[in-house]
Parts: sequence; structure tokens; C-alpha cells
Amino acid sequence: DTGVSQDPRHKITKRGQNVTFRCDPISEHNRLYWYRQTLGQGPEFLTYFQNEAQLEKSRLLSDRFSAERPKGSFSTLEIQRTEQGDSAMYLCASSLSGVSYGYTFGSGTRLTVV
Amino acid sequence: DQQVKQNSPSLSVQEGRISILNCDYTNSMFDYFLWYKKYPAEGPTFLISISSIKDKNEDGRFTVFLNKSAKHLSLHIVPSQPGDSAVYFCAASVGQGAQKLVFGQGTRLTINP
Repeated sequence: DTGVSQDPRHKITKRGQNVTFRCDPISEHNRLYWYRQTLGQGPEFLTYFQNEAQLEKSRLLSDRFSAERPKGSFSTLEIQRTEQGDSAMYLCASSLSGVSYGYTFGSGTRLTVV
Repeated sequence: DQQVKQNSPSLSVQEGRISILNCDYTNSMFDYFLWYKKYPAEGPTFLISISSIKDKNEDGRFTVFLNKSAKHLSLHIVPSQPGDSAVYFCAASVGQGAQKLVFGQGTRLTINP
């Protein structure tokens, strides 16, 4: 298993454009999480899925953000009408439910909105 | 509202000495705490955790101490090695089957040869 994969690694987009990121979790993990990290801050929780069900969303996830995990495997995070404040590292992580250790993170997608 | 705080943005330690990274939390509902290590261009990597029923957990060179009354935890690295140079995040959750982690801002540790 190659761990958690995120694509693309970097994305530069113009303000107002839509962007979509993909995350492929560790295959046997049933939970998948999205976090956002801005400069000088720790990761902030956005949302998580158990299998295909989205069970919690942060108030950080405005109506311009949508996440899906259609078959309980990979997930996509879409940002519509991007704003400069959306510039951040978007991290995906996965885990087995009920584990007593932390999740496994991917390397992230760095978004720059110009 | 920063529920988990790492008040030292950076720390510099001599190789072979002890590194002590600190973390404070405000939410008394947190009962599970983790430390992550992050290298540039990589995602955070799980290092060590501790449940609130314990006050110490040790794994090789890494020890985490929890002081519940002070709402404070610390990570000790002994002896420090150059490969330990990274950003360290503490995180907290309600319950061990953590659906959501709340992270601190991170401390950049530099180990000098």
C-alpha cells in the first residue's frame, strides 16, 4: 500500500474559478478526512466520511465547498468561485474507525488563488 | 477560539540534548492527545499519543506527559537527533476513535549538530 495519495500536489487558479482535488485513502480504511492548513497554523478540520456517508462538516466549509466519497473509496473536494482566502494546503487523511492511534495523512494539495 | 495552543513557534536544541515541546488546551472534554511530526512537502506523520487515563506514555526516544489539572502536555525527545528537525503539532480529540482532531499551531524544532 502506498499510503494516502492526493492529486494534484499544486494548483494555481484565478479567483472565481472552480477547482477539484482528489484523495485516494489507504484501501482498507473506512474513514476519510479533509483538513485545511494555512501558513503558520495547524491543520483545521473540514469534514469526514465513514464509508460513503459524510458524517460531519465544519462551519469552515462554506456553501462554496463540497466533498464527496461516492463509493466509499476515493474522495473529491470541490471549491467553487475560489477566493484568495482559499489559498492553503488541503490535507486528506484516512483511518480505520475506532483506532487508538492517529490517522495517516497524504502530502496535501497546495492551492494558490491569484 | 484556539482550543489547543503551542505557544513556542520555534525551538533550537543541541544534538544529543533533550527537546521539550509544550502544548496547552482549554477544552476539558478532550481526553485523547496526539503528537504529529511534519517535514516540508509532506503530510503530518503520527508520532505518539496518550489517553487521559494516563499521565505518561513512552515510545523509544519519545515520551509524552499529560497534566490534566493544568491542561498541559509535553513531548520529550531524548536524545535529540538531526533527523528530529521538523514541525511538531499537538492535537486533541474527544474519544479515542477520533473523528475530529483539533491541532495546535505547531512548533518548529531545529536540532543543531
